[in-house]
Formats: sequence, C-alpha cells, structure tokens
Amino acid sequence: DAKTTQPNSMESNEEEPVHLPCNHSTISGTDYIHWYRQLPSQGPEYVIHGLTSNVNNRMASLAIAEDRKSSTLILHRATLRDAAVYYCILRDGGGAGSYQLTFGKGTKLSVIP
Amino acid sequence: KAGVTQTPRYLIKTRGQQVTLSCSPISGHRSVSWYQQTPGQGLQFLFEYFSETQRNKGNFPGRFSGRQFSNSRSEMNVSTLELGDSALYLCASSLDNYQETQYFGPGTRLLVL
Repeated sequence: DAKTTQPNSMESNEEEPVHLPCNHSTISGTDYIHWYRQLPSQGPEYVIHGLTSNVNNRMASLAIAEDRKSSTLILHRATLRDAAVYYCILRDGGGAGSYQLTFGKGTKLSVIP
Repeated sequence: KAGVTQTPRYLIKTRGQQVTLSCSPISGHRSVSWYQQTPGQGLQFLFEYFSETQRNKGNFPGRFSGRQFSNSRSEMNVSTLELGDSALYLCASSLDNYQETQYFGPGTRLLVL
C-alpha cells in the first residue's frame, strides 16, 4: 500500500481555520485520498475523500495538490469537538486494497479555547 | 438509522481463555470489517466479511477468527488469549466496502490479565 506521512500533532485556537497536511508521494493513479478522525473514546468516523479535484462537505474541505503527492484537510472553524486524531488514508481504486483501511499514526489535533 | 453496535463494551479475561465479540452493522450494510487498536501498533485491519464470506484478511495469527451471519451480524473470536491481545476491537460496516465509507462502532475494550 502507498504510505502517507502526517505530523504527529498540531494545535489550533478555537474558531480559527486548521490546515492538516498529508504527504503521499508514492500515490498511484487509482488511489483515493480518504480522511477519518477518531474522537477520544470513540471509533473512527469518516470525514471526506477525493481523487483529483478539491472536495467540500459540511464537515471539511479537502485540497489535493495538482501532482496528487500531497493533500490538506481544512477545518474552516475549529471547535473543541474537533479535537481528535486525524488519519489520512489511501485506498486503492481496485484490487484487494480497496477492502480495508490502512491507518497510519495520524495527527493529533488539539484545540485551544 | 441506528449506528453500528458492539457488545460487550468492556471485557476482562485471563491468559489462555477465549473470547467472542459481537457486532451488529447498520441496517442494509452487508460488509463488516474488524480492526484492532493498541497504543503500540495503532489501528490494524483484522478481516472483512461480505455476504457471510471472508473476503480479505490482515496479518494476524490463526487464533483470530470471525464469521458473519445471514443477517450481516458478525462475531470475532480470539482463542488462547495472550497479554498482547489487550486492545480496543473495532467493528466497521459499509454497504459493500469497495471504496464505500466505513462506519465504525464504539469498540469493545478487552483486557487480558
């Protein structure tokens, strides 16, 4: 599986935008970029995913570099509830890899009131 | 719709015993995946079931097994428990799991003494 690299931790002030980076220099043409987050004492939850174009949903935005070797998850206004570990995951668009999520260490986001 | 439910939520066992964990997916979801989460190894994929068949398996010993019933509910079993099996076991369901969003349950926390 292609690997992702994320900072171990980040801090943000409440109500400020947060940009969470992810590097995936060995991404293949069929790999989708998925983001999940895990709040304390909960299972992971889906945030957003994309292939080539930038994506927006009610939770966040995903900005994908033109060469697809990096992406950024954007939380437009961080709230205390956004404090979590954020995982950037590549999912193969075909083959056995598409049937599982391969989690890395993720980025622990702390939100300061 | 009710979310993914897992029972029991907490479990204490001793070395050498066996344990069975249960997962009820979201109604209509046919794919169920299991993950193990430990502080040292993070989130690791165990196996995935679809329509009562194991479709994909992670790199775990044969002591870890699972099954899926015709109503899509799934169980996982760990035999001859070891101290290192202490972990949070997470179940996730999806419509088919081929690039579909996975919805996670709250997990079962297993402590092996």
